[in-house]
Amino acid sequence: SQQGEEDPQALSIQEGENATMNCSYKTSINNLQWYRQNSGRGLVHLILIRSNEREKHSGRLRVTLDTSKKSSSLLITASRAADTASYFCAKERLSPGRRALTFGSGTRLQVQP
Amino acid sequence: IAGITQAPTSQILAAGRRMTLRCTQDMRHNAMYWYRQDLGLGLRLIHYSNTAGTTGKGEVPDGYSVSRANTDDFPLTLASAVPSQTSVYFCASSDIYDRPGGYTFGSGTRLTVV
Repeated sequence: SQQGEEDPQALSIQEGENATMNCSYKTSINNLQWYRQNSGRGLVHLILIRSNEREKHSGRLRVTLDTSKKSSSLLITASRAADTASYFCAKERLSPGRRALTFGSGTRLQVQP
Repeated sequence: IAGITQAPTSQILAAGRRMTLRCTQDMRHNAMYWYRQDLGLGLRLIHYSNTAGTTGKGEVPDGYSVSRANTDDFPLTLASAVPSQTSVYFCASSDIYDRPGGYTFGSGTRLTVV
């Protein structure tokens, strides 16, 4: 079963606007990761936030994590047409000698020039 | 360029045929994974390998097998393909110990079973 869902499923904005995507999950996690996928390509890792962190920044990306609500958000500021892609959150639980990453169904972001 | 190489890029396969999807990484990552991606369902884990010589089942392992003879290669085999295995298949790798970072993904194999 899918571990968590993204919201919205699709988002269309104008260049220069901010884009916010949300992710919820059901069980405890060690970290949460966000990935980008351009059409017809593989996934690219964007940012990882650990369960003891509340906010993390990387360039125009800001990720928050609220473990009490079991939710995370990805904010892309000053969006560009090149940000058009699908964005996936992935929840990870670590156990000795093993990593387990579970993906949501993604948000399709369209940035209009 | 360091990363993951998948082959073939795409394939049309007759139902009942056997097929092996190839995956090679050059980052010396301990762990490797196979995911399938279907519209509206995100990525689902098929099989994984934490280290050479070991493999494990993921969320949707039926109809697939893997092997991990060495660190670099992690082939995925469909013994007898069925139409429901039409999907895009992604191989990924990661370092498994200490400070976990993100996974590295290949560009995918688009498989159509007819």
